[in-house]
Amino acid sequence: AQSVTQLDSQVPVFEEAPVELRCNYSSSVSVYLFWYVQYPNQGLQLLLKYLSGSTLVESINGFEAEFNKSQTSFHLRKPSVHISDTAEYFCAVSDWPGTYKYIFGTGTRLKVLA
Amino acid sequence: KAGVTQTPRYLIKTRGQQVTLSCSPISGHRSVSWYQQTPGQGLQFLFEYFSETQRNKGNFPGRFSGRQFSNSRSEMNVSTLELGDSALYLCASSPGTGPGYTFGSGTRLTVV
Repeated sequence: AQSVTQLDSQVPVFEEAPVELRCNYSSSVSVYLFWYVQYPNQGLQLLLKYLSGSTLVESINGFEAEFNKSQTSFHLRKPSVHISDTAEYFCAVSDWPGTYKYIFGTGTRLKVLA
Repeated sequence: KAGVTQTPRYLIKTRGQQVTLSCSPISGHRSVSWYQQTPGQGLQFLFEYFSETQRNKGNFPGRFSGRQFSNSRSEMNVSTLELGDSALYLCASSPGTGPGYTFGSGTRLTVV
């Protein structure tokens, strides 16, 4: 069975400071990894994904994540956060085409302080 | 290109009633999934459809059902509503040829 662990339920950080949101997974099969962001009263927006190839993936708004197979991690990082980055972030794994579903972590609430 | 459209955005129902939620996927997408999001349980998988066939179902009681039509639009139904069914219900679509879903804005269901 697969599982996803997001150890930090809340992360407060000052504006323009760096941030890392941690995600660890366990799976007996190869997986694909995703980060989604959710703003209040909205759905999930895809931030970035690891499907294959380079282990470092980047998003258009400055976030990056690195797939580390040996540590079974997919941590999300941003070198300088903005107030607008305040949101909840979810890590997810997929064993497609195994079960055709995501397993989500419990989410990390990022609060950017002025 | 239009995104995933869920209707209605908000619903208030009474215990014991039933409800139907609708999801229109991105044009050309043949796979539709549904998830329930609650503060206590987080994001939980309900079911996934591809070309009108349910390929997987989560661990929810039989009161939760779904279907997909030939145009890929999907509906989910919850019968005999309970207070605990109050949640944000999210629909997601994909072409069905690989991993990765696009989510809609969700339907917020409140059961009173």
